[in-house]
Amino acid sequence: DQQVKQNSPSLSVQEGRISILNCDYTNSMFDYFLWYKKYPAEGPTFLISISSIKDKNEDGRFTVFLNKSAKHLSLHIVPSQPGDSAVYFCAASVYLNYGGSQGNLIFGKGTKLSVKP
Amino acid sequence: NAGVTQTPKFQVLKTGQSMTLQCAQDMNHNSMYWYRQDPGMGLRLIYYSASEGTTDKGEVPNGYNVSRLNKREFSLRLESAAPSQTSVYFCASSVWAHSPLHFGNGTRLTVT
Repeated sequence: DQQVKQNSPSLSVQEGRISILNCDYTNSMFDYFLWYKKYPAEGPTFLISISSIKDKNEDGRFTVFLNKSAKHLSLHIVPSQPGDSAVYFCAASVYLNYGGSQGNLIFGKGTKLSVKP
Repeated sequence: NAGVTQTPKFQVLKTGQSMTLQCAQDMNHNSMYWYRQDPGMGLRLIYYSASEGTTDKGEVPNGYNVSRLNKREFSLRLESAAPSQTSVYFCASSVWAHSPLHFGNGTRLTVT
């Protein structure tokens, strides 16, 4: 049973437009959420995170929104660029579990974003 | 900056063979992790080490062992490889237990 779901395996967007990647979770104990970006033949790289005490976190072109009541988060990329084409993973964890370890960081299956020039 | 270095990059094993995947980080991070990624799947945690001298099982530990050799190095051992262990393996590290992970570029393992 998936605790972190990314229901769209792929997304195609025109350069300059907004990309919105969605993520749903089922475990109400999750209180820390992260987005990672992955290019082919490379490891994932950290993009942005959000704690459950916030509903929005912004870093340049990237903004993550958290809706705790809906157990939903989204990553907005504005404006989208061809270099943003990659697989995006949503991940979630419970801060206090395992003594604060990320041993319980749960990843979604990823969404492949293609940004067309 | 090298970051997280994994060796080897590629490996082909026959069923029953053993091997050790090496991982080293030069960022003075306290926590280290081993994940596997299978097609159409997210990353699944195999083992992690919250700090030097400790290791714990993750979601999919069966068939694997780990050693936190020192603060820099965290190895993953397959004692008797099985085709189900064909995957891409990623090592990661983090400053402390709840900070973002830094990943290596992966080891692509095929077991025939």
